[in-house]
Amino acid sequence: DIVMTQSPDSLAVSLGERATINCRSSQSVFYSSTNENYLAWYQQKPGQPPKLLIYWASTRESGVPDRFSGSGSGTDFTLTISSLQAEDVAVYYCQQSYISPFTFGPGTKVDI
Amino acid sequence: EVQLVESGGDLVKPGGSLRLSCAASEFIFSNAWMNWVRQAPGRGLEWVGRIKSKTEGGSADYAAPVKGRFTISRDDSENKLYLQMNSLQIEDTAVYYCTNGSSWFGPWGQGTLVTVSS
Repeated sequence: DIVMTQSPDSLAVSLGERATINCRSSQSVFYSSTNENYLAWYQQKPGQPPKLLIYWASTRESGVPDRFSGSGSGTDFTLTISSLQAEDVAVYYCQQSYISPFTFGPGTKVDI
Repeated sequence: EVQLVESGGDLVKPGGSLRLSCAASEFIFSNAWMNWVRQAPGRGLEWVGRIKSKTEGGSADYAAPVKGRFTISRDDSENKLYLQMNSLQIEDTAVYYCTNGSSWFGPWGQGTLVTVSS
């Protein structure tokens, strides 16, 4: 199975400042035939189900604010919140869909 | 707006069985690959399994911890997804979410709580 790791476990960021979350996969999730990385990011606020933010490592889901961006390729990926807002307090998960079983990272908690 | 509504969660004893349902609306369910993802209390997300659309073969695959105990099925005429859970263990205690997607998952239902305890 592909193991997903995230760092840091948690971080506190001031309002308006940048938050950066890292995700690493134990093997590459880049699929050469489609030229895409099979890596997604989710946001989960307390008491709510997860919400898809980004797929293919860098494509924002419809309706997601552009302060959220994803980057990276192969095994190393980053989710960046360019200017943290109060409503961004949540746990963020990465997930690989390169091969079943699909696996999630352990999550990164973002606080103000 | 796409809606997914899970039901069937309950308190069950170890070794027991339970069937969860997920009612889907506002999208073409028969074309969708559907998944179950669970979240133990205070823990992270764990993919349970998925079922392909019938046009893609309709097969299901599962995470190792549930393989052989859980079965995912679908009723496209009723727009419903099911998760049959047998031989339940304490470690299966979690909120179970259904979600749409073949590679990434969204949207998600609100989840249904399964508690396995004696």
